[in-house]
Amino acid sequence: AAGVIQSPRHLIKEKRETATLKCYPIPRHDTVYWYQQGPGQDPQFLISFYEKMQSDKGSIPDRFSAQQFSDYHSELNMSSLELGDSALYFCASSRTGRDEAFFGQGTRLTVV
Amino acid sequence: QQPVQSPQAVILREGEDAVINCSSSKALYSVHWYRQKHGEAPVFLMILLKGGEQKGHDKISASFNEKKQQSSLYLTASQLSYSGTYFCGTELGAGGTSYGKLTFGQGTILTVHP
Repeated sequence: AAGVIQSPRHLIKEKRETATLKCYPIPRHDTVYWYQQGPGQDPQFLISFYEKMQSDKGSIPDRFSAQQFSDYHSELNMSSLELGDSALYFCASSRTGRDEAFFGQGTRLTVV
Repeated sequence: QQPVQSPQAVILREGEDAVINCSSSKALYSVHWYRQKHGEAPVFLMILLKGGEQKGHDKISASFNEKKQQSSLYLTASQLSYSGTYFCGTELGAGGTSYGKLTFGQGTILTVHP
């Protein structure tokens, strides 16, 4: 069965650079979530989209933005990267708000 | 509002049982349970949608007490493969409607020894 696909799997960037993370949800899933997980921490909700519209916003810095496109894939854009942005970034998708959310394998971002 | 999980960590021997609790200060629409191995994505275990609902598969089950706004995950006859960090995720809501955001607890680290 198709799963949530994230790319790239690993990314190394320097401070003040920009990064774009991509997420391709499971087909027919209409909700996408983005989470940031630091080492030894729980996943922190960043932002979610329902039917291509932003549905909720969490602890997402102003330097970050995200959108969901007509084909339902989503991109998380991160600018002016800081060392503290180093983390695992997970994307998850679900079908409406009633079903389980499935996670992608994550993108490990390292800012040096 | 982040749900609160307890205990923070559990150490078991194979075959022993464990209970992980998740509570919220707000009315819940649903509770999700996930297990995460180090460096991997959280893996969905189950979702509970109705108050009093109990679900389970194999030796892992969960209950949802809507009145107390809490859920418990029960692991019986634990196996080595159960080791990992268990997260509950909660969706707030009322009147049969979800507010849409899935918020995770801080996690419970479960270690099963032979």
